[in-house]
Order: sequence, then structure tokens, then C-alpha cells
Amino acid sequence: QSALTQPASVSGSPGQSITISCTGTSSDVGTQKFVSWYQQHPGKAPKLIIYEGSKRPSGISNRFSGSKSGNTASLTISGLQAEDEADYYCCSFSTSDTSAYVFGSGTKVTVL
Amino acid sequence: QVQLVQSGAEVKTPGASAKISCKASGYTLTNHYTHWVRLAPGQGLEWMGTIDPSGSWTNSAQMFQDRVTMTRDLSTSTFYMELSSLTSDDTAVYYCAREAALAAKNFDYWGQGTLVTVSS
Repeated sequence: QSALTQPASVSGSPGQSITISCTGTSSDVGTQKFVSWYQQHPGKAPKLIIYEGSKRPSGISNRFSGSKSGNTASLTISGLQAEDEADYYCCSFSTSDTSAYVFGSGTKVTVL
Repeated sequence: QVQLVQSGAEVKTPGASAKISCKASGYTLTNHYTHWVRLAPGQGLEWMGTIDPSGSWTNSAQMFQDRVTMTRDLSTSTFYMELSSLTSDDTAVYYCAREAALAAKNFDYWGQGTLVTVSS
């Protein structure tokens, strides 16, 4: 099962908005509502920031938002802050025979 | 509060096995699936497998199917993941993670990670 495709890096200035794409297939993103997003700072465990495509867990800033169209899910970070600099991964439940879950390749967000 | 505390870093030689523990607290273990995910250097997160709330059913990614064993000891609230026939490609940080709720299919709490280094 190949990883979901994400851009390797995205950058933006403080206060700007950025969007990270996550492209999968009809076995995962395209047919699943179970798309989640994780933020990971260096040396730390991943943190859930979006689940079921667009829902935010309690305590997660509303600057983070998720959406999906066809085989591509997207994470938007608005009002970019220095603390948002991290790696971001999408994840989808999958009906593939090879793996029940598939993660994205990861995107490094840099705040300029 | 929910906590997942993993065992410490390990160094293994090629061909050996690594067994990582993940001690859970602050919630009812029998209400949640537990998953294992790894992060290799320069790579992205990779889902390895899961154990169900009863501790009797496991499902793993095809690439690990022959090498991974996931178990649970309810008496100590501890999950275990053993990976055998290690190669240098298995050098990674291994995480346990709790599925948020039955059929939630997302991971809301994570262990701190365990570094496994495979080197001759």
C-alpha cells in the first residue's frame, strides 16, 4: 500500500494561510470519511488535530480546518503562527488488502 | 488522565527481535483498539497493526504480517509489540496509539515513542 501523497514542504509567513493536500485513491481517501490529520513536532509524538475529514478534537485551535474533494483531502492552517512549524501527516482508513490504514508521506511546514 | 508510557530505547543486531511495551492508564482498555505506528528516519509515519479491545484479535499491515506479534496483558494494563527478523530498515521510532472510540478510526492518544536501532 503506497503512502498518501503530500507535498514535501509548505511555507508561509506569520498570519498567512497555508493548505496541505493529501491525495489517495478510491480505496482510501476517495471513499472514506475517516481521514485524520496529525501534527508532529521534532522528537514528540504525533497529535491528532482533525478527524473524520473536518472535525476538531477538543482543545484544537479553530485555525486548523479540514476538507475533502474526491480523492484529495486538505488541511488548512489560517493565521499561521511560529508554533505551527512542524511535520503534518494525513491518514485514511483503507479497504485495501495490504493495510487497514495508510498515512501520508508527510509535509514539513515552515513559518518564515 | 489518559497516558501511554512506552519502554526505553533498544539496540538490536540484524536477525534479532525487539519487544516494546506500552503501559496504559486513565481509561478502560476494553473499550478501545490499540495501534502500533512507526517513524523511520527520513520517512513518514507507517501503520503496523492493531489489537482489538478484547485482546484476542489482531490485524497487521501485509508487510509486517509474518514478523509482528501484538499482545495485551490486562492485569498490568500493558500492550506489547514484538517485531522479529530485524534488519537495518526496521530502525525507527515505534509508537503505540489509542483509537479514540470504537470505530472512530483515528488515534487520539499516543505513547512517547521507543527508538529501536538495528545495527551490527
